[in-house]
Amino acid sequence: RKEVEQDPGPFNVPEGATVAFNCTYSNSASQSFFWYRQDCRKEPKLLMSVYSSGNEDGRFTAQLNRASQYISLLIRDSKLSDSATYLCAVNKNTDMRFGAGTRLTVKP
Amino acid sequence: DVKVTQSSRYLVKRTGEKVFLECVQDMDHENMFWYRQDPGLGLRLIYFSYDVKMKEKGDIPEGYSVSREKKERFSLILESASTNQTSMYLCASSLSVGGLTEAFFGQGTRLTVV
Repeated sequence: RKEVEQDPGPFNVPEGATVAFNCTYSNSASQSFFWYRQDCRKEPKLLMSVYSSGNEDGRFTAQLNRASQYISLLIRDSKLSDSATYLCAVNKNTDMRFGAGTRLTVKP
Repeated sequence: DVKVTQSSRYLVKRTGEKVFLECVQDMDHENMFWYRQDPGLGLRLIYFSYDVKMKEKGDIPEGYSVSREKKERFSLILESASTNQTSMYLCASSLSVGGLTEAFFGQGTRLTVV
């Protein structure tokens, strides 16, 4: 079983839609959690960290559920520019592991 | 501004060659990582290092080794390149503050082994 699993998608949504991604992790000792965005042929860049209490940054909301070992990302009012691959990342001790990524395409 | 720099954007090497991929970060981060990214498989951890001269195997270390002689530099070595090592290689670094802080990535090295 992979340490971090994501639905690869693709998710194709119209502009203005709300879309949610989930990511599960296998190690209950995991400490830090992140969502990254990766554009085509570019390196991943941090979208947001995920805190235990949940956190919001504009149209983006991240949640952590330690009991069920998953994190989620909600994007409201999708824009064309949100089209990208979204990767979750989970840290335990000194390593950092990523999910395979979920591809999102927002269409006009 | 954190900067992680990989020595090459594109490399073409022959089967059996020894290949060095270099990564340098300028933010005094303790932790450095090497990943490879392949379509459908995502980012897979090859090796990581949490201190100078320290290294830990990730999920797919076979066929690779690493070197961290200085804090800012983490090298990935393909001992004898094979065609199945054709991939995008990404280096990253992060701080340790409790758990790890966000990882910053280099621009990637697209390696083709022929």
